[in-house]
Amino acid sequence: DTAVSQTPKYLVTQMGNDKSIKCEQNLGHDTMYWYKQDSKKFLKIMFSYNNKELIINETVPNRFSPKSPDKAHLNLHINSLELGDSAVYFCASSLAGGGINTDTQYFGPGTRLTVL
Amino acid sequence: GQNIDQPTEMTATEGAIVQINCTYQTSGFNGLFWYQQHAGEAPTFLSYNVLDGLEEKGRFSSFLSRSKGYSYLLLKELQMKDSASYLCAVTDSNYQLIWGAGTKLIIKP
Repeated sequence: DTAVSQTPKYLVTQMGNDKSIKCEQNLGHDTMYWYKQDSKKFLKIMFSYNNKELIINETVPNRFSPKSPDKAHLNLHINSLELGDSAVYFCASSLAGGGINTDTQYFGPGTRLTVL
Repeated sequence: GQNIDQPTEMTATEGAIVQINCTYQTSGFNGLFWYQQHAGEAPTFLSYNVLDGLEEKGRFSSFLSRSKGYSYLLLKELQMKDSASYLCAVTDSNYQLIWGAGTKLIIKP
């Protein structure tokens, strides 16, 4: 199936641990994103990559490091996890390049991260 | 600052019509999106408006007035499966996508 996929769907871990979330899109899109959706359901952009290059890096702690090995993948690595990192993390992709946000974004199913 | 306002929650009856409003104050405008998000699921695209007027797509329509910084999503013949959050998002002059907090729509039989 053509889609945006991310793994794992659920991630439960202890404070201080390091974890990664993987994202892949097979839609042939040029731009990929990471969003954080907290308990209040507000969707916040974290990063945007266009063709493996960082376009947007919002005010996110440097414990969060995205990595894009190719334009179909954008993984998110989180160091020294904190309680406040608990949220749902969505990966998304869109056709347009250069961070031109006039194209529809297609979202992955989300990863629910719980930090204990 | 940039701001998108939507009602936090709305309730409507199955079979009825509901209008969800969105007002925005952004630095420039390059389009407005509506997304639907069911509980525990990812947002999915509903509509995109960049010119003034009404865009109709089946039971859902989206309206835009750029001069008023205003949009609405109109849902007709409501079904129980329409219970979801509806997110308004605006692309500003720097092509940054600014998201609203979403409107939770509850449909009652």
